[in-house]
Formats: sequence, structure tokens, C-alpha cells
Amino acid sequence: EIVMTQSPATLSMSPGESATLSCRASQSVSSNLAWYQQKPGQAPRLLIYGASTRATGIPARFSGSGSGTEFTLTISSLQSEDFAVYYCQQYNNWPPWTFGQGTKVEIK
Amino acid sequence: QVQLQESGPGLVKPSQTLSLTCTVSGGSIRSGGYYWSWIRQHPGKGLEWIGHIYSSGNTYYNPSLKSRITISVDTSKNQFSLNLSSVTAADTAVYYCARDSSEIGIPFDNWGRGTLVTVSS
Repeated sequence: EIVMTQSPATLSMSPGESATLSCRASQSVSSNLAWYQQKPGQAPRLLIYGASTRATGIPARFSGSGSGTEFTLTISSLQSEDFAVYYCQQYNNWPPWTFGQGTKVEIK
Repeated sequence: QVQLQESGPGLVKPSQTLSLTCTVSGGSIRSGGYYWSWIRQHPGKGLEWIGHIYSSGNTYYNPSLKSRITISVDTSKNQFSLNLSSVTAADTAVYYCARDSSEIGIPFDNWGRGTLVTVSS
């Protein structure tokens, strides 16, 4: 099983700032890496797939990068609606598909 | 736009079987190229993939739960279902159904709203 490790666990940011979230895989997942956003009481929403492709309707301030074992999600100019929990997920080796434990982006 | 909706009991007794159904609308579950998945989230925790069923009926399960899981599909009703046997309090979670298009490089792109299942006597 591939273990996904996200850092930091919590990121305290102010609106307008840029946030950088990290995700590391225990072995290479090529570019088969996705990012999801989850708000309280809601299902996760796909933001990024293929490590860097934005899903339909996702604003350009969300960008993903990386390949192999190291990945980054960048949110430029944080908006109020961006404060949420973010998960990475690998879909390269299965079963099982595996998720990171999440990074909470909170308002400073 | 495909929509998914979970349904089933919100309370299950320990040792019994948890049964949930996901109804798909806006698209046919028979459409090739998609895995129809179950994912759960323990209270305040991260996401755990449970398993999925392909449109052909082939199933794939998380090895950690494999002995207790059955996922089935009813194409006539455009539904797929999860049975999780011998539940304990550790199975208390929000259960989501989702469409997995990873065969074409796009993972969980459509999710149900989730349903909370509590295991308690």
C-alpha cells in the first residue's frame, strides 16, 4: 500500500496570501495524483488531477505540480471560500487507492 | 452532470451488516470506463477507499476490509450497493459513493453528499 503524507497538518493564512501544501508518496505514483478540497459537512471536491490539471470549473488560482513522490498544491491569493481541508490521493497503484491525512487551511 | 445519492440506515447494531445504496442519475451506470466507488470518512478523520465495482461487474476491494465487503450493482435501477458485515464501532463513519474515472486519468470527479452511519447498540 502506498502511504501518502501531507504537510503541514495545519496552515494558518490570511486572505490574499499564497498557500503551499505538500504531499509525499512512499513510492512513485508517476503523475497519478489528485487534490481535493473539503468544507465542513460537504463531500470532497476534485480540484486537480494528473498532478497539475485543474478539474472543470476550478479557478486558476489553484495549481498543482510535481511527479514521482513529491507534489505541491499552491493556492495563490487565498479567498474566503478557500479555507478548508485539502487531501491528496494517489491513483497509480491499487488496490487500494490511498489518501493523505489532509491539510487544514485556516484563517490566521 | 452525473449525480449520486446515498441511502440506507443511519444506525446499525454491532455485529450486524451495514447496507447502503447509491442511486446514480444523469448518466447510465452501464457506461464503460467508470468505477463506481465507496469511500468512508471516520468522524474528524481522513478518507478511506472501501472498494469499487466496474460497469462490467468486476469488483475491487480495500485489502484491509476485503473479508467483510460486498459491492454489487443493479443496472436496471441504476444503483450500486455496499454491504459491510460484522460491523463494530470502528465502522462508524460518513459513507460516500463516488464515480471514479481513473481509467481515463480522472479520479473521483463526482461524489454523493455522504451519509452518516453510526454503529451502536
